[in-house]
Amino acid sequence: DAGVTQSPTHLIKTRGQQVTLRCSPKSGHDTVSWYQQALGQGPQFIFQYYEEEERQRGNFPDRFSGHQFPNYSSELNVNALLLGDSALYLCASSGDNRGHLYEQYFGPGTRLTVT
Amino acid sequence: GIQVEQSPPDLILQEGANSTLRCNFSDSVNNLQWFHQNPWGQLINLFYIPSGTKQNGRLSATTVATERYSLLYISSSQTTDSGVYFCAVGALGGSQGNLIFGKGTKLSVKP
Repeated sequence: DAGVTQSPTHLIKTRGQQVTLRCSPKSGHDTVSWYQQALGQGPQFIFQYYEEEERQRGNFPDRFSGHQFPNYSSELNVNALLLGDSALYLCASSGDNRGHLYEQYFGPGTRLTVT
Repeated sequence: GIQVEQSPPDLILQEGANSTLRCNFSDSVNNLQWFHQNPWGQLINLFYIPSGTKQNGRLSATTVATERYSLLYISSSQTTDSGVYFCAVGALGGSQGNLIFGKGTKLSVKP
């Protein structure tokens, strides 16, 4: 049973550039959430996708956008990168009706460095 | 919004010692999870425990939803238990997936 996968593992970008991060949910899950974790902090919710639509959004600017595909995989896009966007980006999936509906499973993360 | 507070922020133990980590939350929840974040950043699910008590080997957890707190117990700690432990909650009435995390407890187990 494959868990949540994310790509790439690491990424280095320059200020002003755009980046796309990818996530495949755990088998049987249909909901994907994205989180940003700054160094020394707990993860912060960016947004959540369900049925290919953004269902809920945290306190992040419009530079952060996403997409969910029919196979439930998801992308996180960040435009006009700032130094402060340097962080670990975590994807989580949920929605397994056979188990705990709200239980989140996290991927290994993508570490983004903006120079 | 809901607030999550974890204590203590840092904990240093000798191998073999027991510990209790606490998580207080400010409102009713439909989800409470404990995670262990390893040095590579992976969040590992420990417990899904919006209420009640669960045990898994040397780890156990209790959530008293009416009093808005949860406890994570680690017995006979090992060096591999080192890392950051996070409590995360989902607010009652919120959609699934919007977890609010505490700041974590950094555990260091010395040999």
